[in-house]
Amino acid sequence: SAVISQKPSRDICQRGTSLTIQCQVDSQVTMMFWYRQQPGQSLTLIATANQGSEATYESGFVIDKFPISRPNLTFSTLTVSNMSPEDSSIYLCSVVGRGSYNEQFFGPGTRLTVL
Amino acid sequence: AQSVTQLDSQVPVFEEAPVELRCNYSSSVSVYLFWYVQYPNQGLQLLLKYLSGSTLVESINGFEAEFNKSQTSFHLRKPSVHISDTAEYFCAVRLTGGGNKLTFGTGTQLKVEL
Repeated sequence: SAVISQKPSRDICQRGTSLTIQCQVDSQVTMMFWYRQQPGQSLTLIATANQGSEATYESGFVIDKFPISRPNLTFSTLTVSNMSPEDSSIYLCSVVGRGSYNEQFFGPGTRLTVL
Repeated sequence: AQSVTQLDSQVPVFEEAPVELRCNYSSSVSVYLFWYVQYPNQGLQLLLKYLSGSTLVESINGFEAEFNKSQTSFHLRKPSVHISDTAEYFCAVRLTGGGNKLTFGTGTQLKVEL
């Protein structure tokens, strides 16, 4: 398994500002993902964080709004830019560990509230 | 594209009663199937998964799910629930043919009452 930590665990932000969420894994992983869980809804994949190259975004998500970095095999960041109240969600990092190709592990999530 | 349907948004049940949480999926190709659980104020945890082999899979805490290809279902069951099972349960699918994108259902809130 993989142990994943996220920072911050929660935040309250003002409209128009940006927040960067960090995801740290305790071991090298092949793939990392960022999901969003809006209030009362299921998880939606935002993008795949690719090590050493640009992230791959899902339909409806763009790099300008959700820039992602992945400088190495254990760390990634997601920035939520120019926030609005509609961005209030839980943002989760997930990974597929080496040797566990079929299993995704999830971080504890970052609960974001935009006022 | 694949999709997952969890028809029951909430399932109230008394402690020690049996429960079934329904999950149906749609996909033109074969998939892997997963159940995740999210306890209050916690992250998602993998509960059980079907990859291949026996269509009945079990978790360590008494839950089981059966893959039914003809009905495209992967319902989650437990013969006797406990208060500690109160949580949100998400069904998810992933294509077997490559890629790691998980498609989630909308979740079922299981509330166990005394």
